[in-house]
Amino acid sequence: DQQVKQNSPSLSVQEGRISILNCDYTNSMFDYFLWYKKYPAEGPTFLISISSIKDKNEDGRFTVFLNKSAKHLSLHIVPSQPGDSAVYFCAASADGFGNEKLTFGTGTRLTIIP
Amino acid sequence: DTAVSQTPKYLVTQMGNDKSIKCEQNLGHDTMYWYKQDSKKFLKIMFSYNNKELIINETVPNRFSPKSPDKAHLNLHINSLELGDSAVYFCASSPRGQFYGYTFGSGTRLTVV
Repeated sequence: DQQVKQNSPSLSVQEGRISILNCDYTNSMFDYFLWYKKYPAEGPTFLISISSIKDKNEDGRFTVFLNKSAKHLSLHIVPSQPGDSAVYFCAASADGFGNEKLTFGTGTRLTIIP
Repeated sequence: DTAVSQTPKYLVTQMGNDKSIKCEQNLGHDTMYWYKQDSKKFLKIMFSYNNKELIINETVPNRFSPKSPDKAHLNLHINSLELGDSAVYFCASSPRGQFYGYTFGSGTRLTVV
């Protein structure tokens, strides 16, 4: 039962353009969403998050959008840089405090073309 | 100075053996976790401990046993290893209730032959 889905296993974007990574979820109890970035042979590192009470959160070049009615979130990176090439994981959680379990998608490999 | 460190980084072992993976965090976090990333790239939680107390125990075979001697350490023991246990195992830690502080180790690639 895959509750968090990233349907695009890979994405290539020209440097300087916008990268859009998508994520869908099925569990309506999820109330907190995160994006993680992972380089080879390293653990995932936290990138940006959003609570279900918001529909947008911005941090520098990174913006996460949440559409609760569609159970969809997306990560926008603009402008894209070569260092952004990595695997991006979407993650979600329900019942925040006391149960910090994260449910992850399978990741999207982003390649930025110089 | 690594925040969440796992050892070993690579582990190759034969079926039926017993092995351990160690994890230590120096962030002062209360909660530690073990996640497993299988061949299909699913990253799934196995266990979480809060201040040495087991909080989450997902459907994991009894052959897997976590041990937390103190809140800075969470080790994973695996008995009678099977081929299907081959995966990358990630340790993580977080301050309780604060996801933005969730920090992962670099992973242990376990290969059972």
